Amino acid sequence: VLTQSPPALSLSPGERGTLSCRASHSIGRYLAWYQHKPGQAPRLLIRDASNRVNGIPAKFSGSGSGTDFTLTISDLEPEDSGVYYCQERSTWLFGPGTKVDI
Amino acid sequence: QVQLVQSGAEVKRPGSSVKVSCRTSGGSFNLYDFSWVQETPGRGLVWMGGIVPNYGTSTTAKEFQGRVSFSADDSTTTVYLEVNPLKPEDTAIYYCACRVDTAFVAGFDLWGQGTQITVSS
Repeated sequence: VLTQSPPALSLSPGERGTLSCRASHSIGRYLAWYQHKPGQAPRLLIRDASNRVNGIPAKFSGSGSGTDFTLTISDLEPEDSGVYYCQERSTWLFGPGTKVDI
Repeated sequence: QVQLVQSGAEVKRPGSSVKVSCRTSGGSFNLYDFSWVQETPGRGLVWMGGIVPNYGTSTTAKEFQGRVSFSADDSTTTVYLEVNPLKPEDTAIYYCACRVDTAFVAGFDLWGQGTQITVSS
């Protein structure tokens, strides 16, 4: 089971957002982060905990291992609004998501 | 450039079935393992299961077992999701997804555009 916190986050442009994902058991570094906007397919941001996907801005960074993971989004812009999901590899399970509103 | 192209939206009756297709354009079909993901407003993203065409093996998430099946057609580089019988709560957007860059373990880096399935009497 993956738990994400907070469920929702409202921030102002230029601020930094910190999103948490906690696994019920150790998953090593096998965690991915996605951004999902209405009407679009989910967009992979980070894979294997901290590896930014090609083309993803450096403002998105991932960290963590074992059971606790963090996605940090710096210098927030309105277009960063959306729902952010974590996903673990062993079961491909998604977390419930964090809704980010800028 | 590899793309996943899904079939169009459908409206179905409860108790009927639906088969959603996902065609691979470009790339190497038999190198990929494909998953299907359900999106609903109340539950967000839910992994349903997937298929590895090269081995002909599939895995189904527990909550969908018995109603969902996956198949693949090498000749058309297409994978399929079938849901039978449909329930109103199956109303959702369904995405196919896969890992193209297998240098990494976690994450689907390629997604189809999504298919809206509406189940209503």
